[in-house]
Amino acid sequence: NFMLTQPHSVSESPGKTVTISCTRSSGSIASNYVQWYQQRPGSSPTTVIYEDNQRPSGVPDRFSGSIDSSSNSASLTISGLKTEDEADYYCQSYDSSNRHWVFGGGTKLTVL
Amino acid sequence: EVQLVESGGGLVKPGGSLRLSCAASGFTFSNAWMSWVRQAPGKGLEWVGRIKSKTDGGTTDYAAPVKGRFTISRDDSKNTLYLQMNSLKTEDTAVYYCTTMVRGIDYWGQGTLVTVSS
Repeated sequence: NFMLTQPHSVSESPGKTVTISCTRSSGSIASNYVQWYQQRPGSSPTTVIYEDNQRPSGVPDRFSGSIDSSSNSASLTISGLKTEDEADYYCQSYDSSNRHWVFGGGTKLTVL
Repeated sequence: EVQLVESGGGLVKPGGSLRLSCAASGFTFSNAWMSWVRQAPGKGLEWVGRIKSKTDGGTTDYAAPVKGRFTISRDDSKNTLYLQMNSLKTEDTAVYYCTTMVRGIDYWGQGTLVTVSS
């Protein structure tokens, strides 16, 4: 079993770039795909990145995903920040040992 | 367009039961693996469990906090997913979402609120 650890909160100004990390506690980050979900207040989650770095149609190319084996972490980067990007962001991956989904604790992004 | 619509939430006393439904459309439901995820008030996302498609065995897996109390099932003739929740506890209070993956992308319903309180 492993955990995914995210920062509790991040903040940045409009137009800037922010990166949210998601660190896997054990096993390789590359062994299972990482997804990223955006959840605006009062709404259900939506996928902004799937399969580590793929972007669904309709998601702006300001959103990008990557994984780094050296730090055993995944990252979500949002460039050209807009106030509408203010939301909670969750990373998610699959635990092959017990066939369970694993979520990070979520990161609250404030754009101010 | 993938659509998932949950229903069946409400207020139930501790120890009680409730059955949630998720009506699916916009994809081939019978081929899909379906999951339930919940979110307690003000908290993060928590995976509840998953059911595979019948062609993949139709088996289920559950998170430890709900194993033995919750049962996921499906009716492919009705394109509907179910979550039977028994022996409910106050800590089961949450919004329950059904989710599925279509071509690699996870889709979520709007959720249904379950409140367990005396």
